[in-house]
Amino acid sequence: QAAVTQDPSLTVSPGGTITLTCGADTGPLTSDQSVYWFQQKPGQAPRTLIYDGTKKSSWTPARFSGSVLGGTAALTLSGAQPDDEGDYYCLVAFNSGPRVFGGGTRLTVV
Amino acid sequence: QAQIQQWGAGPLKPSASLSLTCTVSETPFRDFLWTWIRQPPGKGLEWIGDVNERGFARYNPSLKSRVGQLVDTSGNKFQLRMTSMTGADTAVYYCVKGTQTSPFDNWGQGSLVTVSS
Repeated sequence: QAAVTQDPSLTVSPGGTITLTCGADTGPLTSDQSVYWFQQKPGQAPRTLIYDGTKKSSWTPARFSGSVLGGTAALTLSGAQPDDEGDYYCLVAFNSGPRVFGGGTRLTVV
Repeated sequence: QAQIQQWGAGPLKPSASLSLTCTVSETPFRDFLWTWIRQPPGKGLEWIGDVNERGFARYNPSLKSRVGQLVDTSGNKFQLRMTSMTGADTAVYYCVKGTQTSPFDNWGQGSLVTVSS
């Protein structure tokens, strides 16, 4: 089964911009593969931030955006706020087959 | 967005079987997708499987031999069954309902399943 990779941890300053990345060990992500991003805070269920690579959920703040460039998926946070601290997971839908989560990125805003 | 209710969790002994149920009270959709995801304590998320309105199911290859998923025709009730449970299956199990275009719209609150002798 394919593995999906994420940076284990990242730090951003309040008001700063940071990009979280998500890749697959099978090679560059293609248009046949959909990427989803989730935010999870301690003790809570995850929430879906981005689906289908770039589309925002109804609750997703405007400061978050998703993209797929050069075969890598990215979640960009512009204007980080303390409330954005938490764990961020990407999931790759490999065509019509299994879905695979990345290991998650712990984002610290300090 | 209707709230998903999960139940069926509880302590299990090794080799026992797990049964979890999720329900949601909403107008049935023609197109839906139910997904099971789990998270061991202090670890990341793991996709278990999903099933759509036609009953077509997909499974994590590493779990496929032990997992079954059932969904009723209205799409408002979804069940997970997992056999031969071990300590490695100790996790919070989430059910998630969505559609083919937006698969992870609505998350259940999660059910802690502990497997211990």
